[in-house]
Amino acid sequence: EDQVTQSPEALRLQEGESSSLNCSYTVSGLRGLFWYRQDPGKGPEFLFTLYSAGEEKEKERLKATLTKKESFLHITAPKPEDSATYLCAVQGNTNAGKSTFGDGTTLTVKP
Amino acid sequence: EAQVTQNPRYLITVTGKKLTVTCSQNMNHEYMSWYRQDPGLGLRQIYYSMNVEVTDKGDVPEGYKVSRKEKRNFPLILESPSPNQTSLYFCASSLDENTEAFFGQGTRLTVV
Repeated sequence: EDQVTQSPEALRLQEGESSSLNCSYTVSGLRGLFWYRQDPGKGPEFLFTLYSAGEEKEKERLKATLTKKESFLHITAPKPEDSATYLCAVQGNTNAGKSTFGDGTTLTVKP
Repeated sequence: EAQVTQNPRYLITVTGKKLTVTCSQNMNHEYMSWYRQDPGLGLRQIYYSMNVEVTDKGDVPEGYKVSRKEKRNFPLILESPSPNQTSLYFCASSLDENTEAFFGQGTRLTVV
């Protein structure tokens, strides 16, 4: 059974204070790892897909990295508008089409 | 505008009264999926569909039904809703199962 664990559950940062969010996963053959951002009361919004260990992707202040056991979402010099819940999800080879999400990390950035 | 549309956005119903939540996408996506989200938890997959007439169970399918008669629509059916199905529901679609998903606005369901 695929499993995704995100840590920490909540993270409070001062504006400009860089940090990282962790997504540890167990999957039988990784087909893809996804990062989404979710604002309160809204649907998740896609950020990145990573397919193989060593892959990295960047978008503005966010950078996602992937190893064989975990992924990190690095946030550089965050701003208050980066405050949201960040969700990680995996797709494995065992059941193509089945997505497993972590419980998310709620990030609060104070000005 | 590319979008996934869910209806209704809010629904309060009584135990046992059959209901349907509709989901429609205008991006010609093959893959569609339903999730529920409860406080403090991430998304749990209910059902997914890789293509028309092809559906499969996710992690929490009990008490739900789906159908995929047309590519653009993927309704979620609760034939006999119970209070433990009170939740926030999201529909999503993507080109295939391994590409970025586009999510609807959500349907907040309360079963009393």
